[in-house]
Amino acid sequence: DIQLTQSPSFLSASVGDRVTITCRASQGISSYLAWYQQKPGKAPKLLIYVASTLQSGVPSRFSGSGSGTEFTLTISSLQPEDFATYYCQQLNSYPRTFGGGTKVEIK
Amino acid sequence: QLQLQESGPGLVKPSETVSLTCTVSGGSISRSSYHWGWIRQPPGKGLEWIGSMYYSGSTYYNPSLKSRVTISVDTSKNQFSLKLSSVTAAETAVYYCARALAVTRAFDIWGQGTMVTVSS
Repeated sequence: DIQLTQSPSFLSASVGDRVTITCRASQGISSYLAWYQQKPGKAPKLLIYVASTLQSGVPSRFSGSGSGTEFTLTISSLQPEDFATYYCQQLNSYPRTFGGGTKVEIK
Repeated sequence: QLQLQESGPGLVKPSETVSLTCTVSGGSISRSSYHWGWIRQPPGKGLEWIGSMYYSGSTYYNPSLKSRVTISVDTSKNQFSLKLSSVTAAETAVYYCARALAVTRAFDIWGQGTMVTVSS
């Protein structure tokens, strides 16, 4: 199975900050990586697929990059509605696996 | 607009089988451009992929659950289902159904989730 390691697992940031979350895969997954945002009590929401393609309706302050084993999710200017937990998921092979999550909280 | 809704019992006894249904509305479940999946999340923890089913009928399961899980489809009702047998208290979780586009592979539409508690 492909393991995904997200870092950090928790970060505290202020509105307007640039935030970067990293997801590392235990083996190469090409660009088959997605990022999701989850708020308390809600289902996850797809933000980015195939590593860097923004899902329709997602603000352009979100961006993704990477390929192979290292990927990043960047929020260029953190907004109040962005405080949430973020997960990466590899879509290269079965079983599909998720990263452990990164909780973004208000400083 | 496509919507998914999970349904099933909220309380199941240990060693019993959890049976959940996902009803798809606003579109057909029988399209080769989609596949369908189940994901769960224990309280306060991360996401775990349970399994996925394709239009062709192919299914893929999490190896940690493989001998106990079955995903099936009822096209006449536009529903797909999850059965997980011999559950334990550790499998108390919110269970989500979701759709993925075949081309992107990512889960782009999710149900709201249903809480399943395993307790005697």
